[in-house]
Amino acid sequence: QSALTQPASVSGSPGQSITISCTGTSSDVGSYKLVSWYQQHPGKAPKLMIYEVNKRPSGVSNRFSGSKSGNTASLTISGLQAEDEAEYYCCSYARRGTFVVFGGGTKLTVL
Amino acid sequence: EVQLVQSGAEVKKPGESLKISCKGSGYSFTSYWIGWVRQMPGKGLEWMGIIYPGDSDTRYSPSFQGQVTISADKSISTAYLQWSSLKASDTAMYYCARQMNTYGYLSYFDYWGQGTLVTVSS
Repeated sequence: QSALTQPASVSGSPGQSITISCTGTSSDVGSYKLVSWYQQHPGKAPKLMIYEVNKRPSGVSNRFSGSKSGNTASLTISGLQAEDEAEYYCCSYARRGTFVVFGGGTKLTVL
Repeated sequence: EVQLVQSGAEVKKPGESLKISCKGSGYSFTSYWIGWVRQMPGKGLEWMGIIYPGDSDTRYSPSFQGQVTISADKSISTAYLQWSSLKASDTAMYYCARQMNTYGYLSYFDYWGQGTLVTVSS
C-alpha cells in the first residue's frame, strides 16, 4: 500500500480536462508545499511535470497544472491529447524519518 | 546538458552481490542530491534513499534501510546502489534521479537516469 493515495485510473476524451487526486496526511502533503508530479510512458523513465505543488518546469506544456487543498493535491490536464496517455505519480516530502513518499500511480487513458 | 547515465541490465542469482552505477554530467555533481527509486514489474515508484556526493551524507527509506547501500565517488561523478545478497524480490527497474533540496527539505526529482533492470533468478 502506497503512502499517498491516487485513483488507479482516469480517462477522458481528446480536448477534455481531467483531474488526478493525490491524498496524503498532515505528515506529508498537508504540511509541505513539496508535492511533485511525474509522467511515465511505458518503458520510459519518469518525467517531472509539476513541482512545489503548482510550478511547471521549462518545456512542460501549460495544459498541466497543480494545486493543493489540505491533505489532497491535484494534477489537472486540460485539452487532453493522445500523447498524454501515461501513468502519473504524485510525490511528497514526508516527516518522521520517511523523507519521501510516492503515490501508487494513476493510469490515464485518452479515449 | 544535465545527464544521468546508468549502468546496464544485470542478471544475477539469489545470494549474489551487485553494485549498479549512475554517472552524472553537465552539472556540479557534488552540489546536488542523487536519489534511487525502485519500480518492481508492473508496480509504482518507491523511494529508496539518497546521497549528497559532496560529503556522502546518506539517508534511507525505512523500507530499504539495511537492505541496500548507497555510496558515491565524487572524483568520477558516480553514485552507486549495492546489494550484498540479492533476493528474487529485488527484481526490478532501478532509477537514479537528481533530487532537489527546497527550503532544506528533500523535494522534486528534475533529471532521471534511463534505469537499470536487475533480474534475480535461479
